[in-house]
Amino acid sequence: SAVISQKPSRDICQRGTSLTIQCQVDSQVTMMFWYRQQPGQSLTLIATANQGSEATYESGFVIDKFPISRPNLTFSTLTVSNMSPEDSSIYLCSVLDRAQIMAFFGQGTRLTVV
Amino acid sequence: GDSVTQMEGPVTLSEEAFLTINCTYTATGYPSLFWYVQYPGEGLQLLLKATKADDKGSNKGFEATYRKETTSFHLEKGSVQVSDSAVYFCALILRDSNYQLIWGAGTKLIIKP
Repeated sequence: SAVISQKPSRDICQRGTSLTIQCQVDSQVTMMFWYRQQPGQSLTLIATANQGSEATYESGFVIDKFPISRPNLTFSTLTVSNMSPEDSSIYLCSVLDRAQIMAFFGQGTRLTVV
Repeated sequence: GDSVTQMEGPVTLSEEAFLTINCTYTATGYPSLFWYVQYPGEGLQLLLKATKADDKGSNKGFEATYRKETTSFHLEKGSVQVSDSAVYFCALILRDSNYQLIWGAGTKLIIKP
């Protein structure tokens, strides 16, 4: 199984600022994903982070608001830009192990925008 | 389209009660099915999985059987504990669709002592 280290675990940010969330995996993985979980809700996929190319964003999410980097097969970052209180959520990094057909998750970043 | 439907929560039970959380799915092809658990303030952990029809996944006293005929993957536990209080998510992966992961809405479980 993959072990994922995600940081920060939580943060309180001022509106209008940006926060970068880091995701480090202990093995090389092809597919990495970023999710948002709003309070009391299920997971919503933001984007798939592709190594060596631009991320693939889901409907309703744009690169200017959620820029993603994927410099290698073990690391990715998600930036939440120009934050507003509506961005207050838990953000989760995930990887997919195709061989085991399983998804693994980081501990999440609990973001509060004030 | 492909989807996962879970029973709405919260589900409130007394300790040692029997638990069932219903999950049904709609999918083209042959999905793999999962239950994930999210304890308060934590990320998601895989609880159990099943990759083909009639498979039974089990872990920590929880069980779920992949029922193709009823397109269901209900989660059960014979005797719940207070420590089982969490949010449970049913999900599927479609190997035929680039391993797309589809989530249910989640069911909050509250166990009272």
